[in-house]
Amino acid sequence: DQQVKQNSPSLSVQEGRISILNCDYTNSMFDYFLWYKKYPAEGPTFLISISSIKDKNEDGRFTVFLNKSAKHLSLHIVPSQPGDSAVYFCAARGSGYALNFGKGTSLLVTP
Amino acid sequence: DTGVSQDPRHKITKRGQNVTFRCDPISEHNRLYWYRQTLGQGPEFLTYFQNEAQLEKSRLLSDRFSAERPKGSFSTLEIQRTEQGDSAMYLCASSLAPRKSGYTFGSGTRLTVV
Repeated sequence: DQQVKQNSPSLSVQEGRISILNCDYTNSMFDYFLWYKKYPAEGPTFLISISSIKDKNEDGRFTVFLNKSAKHLSLHIVPSQPGDSAVYFCAARGSGYALNFGKGTSLLVTP
Repeated sequence: DTGVSQDPRHKITKRGQNVTFRCDPISEHNRLYWYRQTLGQGPEFLTYFQNEAQLEKSRLLSDRFSAERPKGSFSTLEIQRTEQGDSAMYLCASSLAPRKSGYTFGSGTRLTVV
């Protein structure tokens, strides 16, 4: 039972444009959400997070939006750069210590 | 701070053999996690340690799997009687305060069972 879903396996965006990665979740007990970025042959790297009491968190070019009523979050990257090309994972935490990850979205930023 | 270190990076083993992986977390991190990632999937939680205490285990962690963190520093994950379905990337992560930031992952150990 996939509690965190990333329905777009891949996304291609031109350099300089906005990349929007989406994530849906089913468990209303999740209270903390994170985005990780992963390059091949490396472990995931923490990117940005948001608590369920907020609806937006911004860090440089990266902004995460949370819509609790829709159980939806999104990651915006503006402007997109070729170095942003990677797999992006959405993750959520409930009452325990485990993170529940989506299957990832592969982002390709083309020059 | 050299990050989270995992050893070995790759392991090929025959079905039925036992394997052991090691994880060295960031030195001041008291929390340590093991995850497993298969092709096309996100990481799946296996187990969590706070210091030397194993506080949470996933139902994915069958009785063939055992994890230890004897002195609250490095951790080992052992798989006994490996099966082809155990082939995956095994990721270790560590953190100080899980609710305030994401944790730091190692590069993983890729296990191939033939």
